[in-house]
Amino acid sequence: DADVTQTPRNRITKTGKRIMLECSQTKGHDRMYWYRQDPGLGLRLIYYSFDVKDINKGEISDGYSVSRQAQAKFSLSLESAIPNQTALYFCATSDYDRLHFGSGTRLTVV
Amino acid sequence: SQQGEEDPQALSIQEGENATMNCSYKTSINNLQWYRQNSGRGLVHLILIRSNEREKHSGRLRVTLDTSKKSSSLLITASRAADTASYFCATERARGTYKYIFGTGTRLKVLA
Repeated sequence: DADVTQTPRNRITKTGKRIMLECSQTKGHDRMYWYRQDPGLGLRLIYYSFDVKDINKGEISDGYSVSRQAQAKFSLSLESAIPNQTALYFCATSDYDRLHFGSGTRLTVV
Repeated sequence: SQQGEEDPQALSIQEGENATMNCSYKTSINNLQWYRQNSGRGLVHLILIRSNEREKHSGRLRVTLDTSKKSSSLLITASRAADTASYFCATERARGTYKYIFGTGTRLKVLA
């Protein structure tokens, strides 16, 4: 969905480095989400936000933090990256009942 | 933990055949949705069924929901090679929580 933009598309980083993944949307949706996808495990919810002042932990928030800078921007940070955070990360927005996904960020921690 | 578990994990069929995949979940839900993912790309919403509905159709898609068994099925009729993708179910546990939990997915391959 081109209305949900994730940057970067691919990133390789070293263990212990801080890294930020960014998400911006032009849909005007209040709700935004970060998911992580690993082979065989489907998508797991990391954090979600209903507005700039409402941020909630998901299923696997340990090792991650988020910032909702504006209605349109929701960033995910790994304070000290570790190899098992290697995964495909998706940002999504929601209106009513369905999710609209970005194209993903493929993160490799070496 | 995963709310939804899809089966089979992988399915291979011939073009023109029907494909059925199932999703089981653990807790009561407000709605259940199915999404499609092409080869590592972002997921695309296919269809939503609410907890008070038993069946819904959209084009070649048919979704059923059995809340007593905590399960749903997605049927794709007359499959095409372009239907090759991974399919995921996602549930919202309670109305208004807007927290969507995904299953592990079914990889469908349609052979031309």
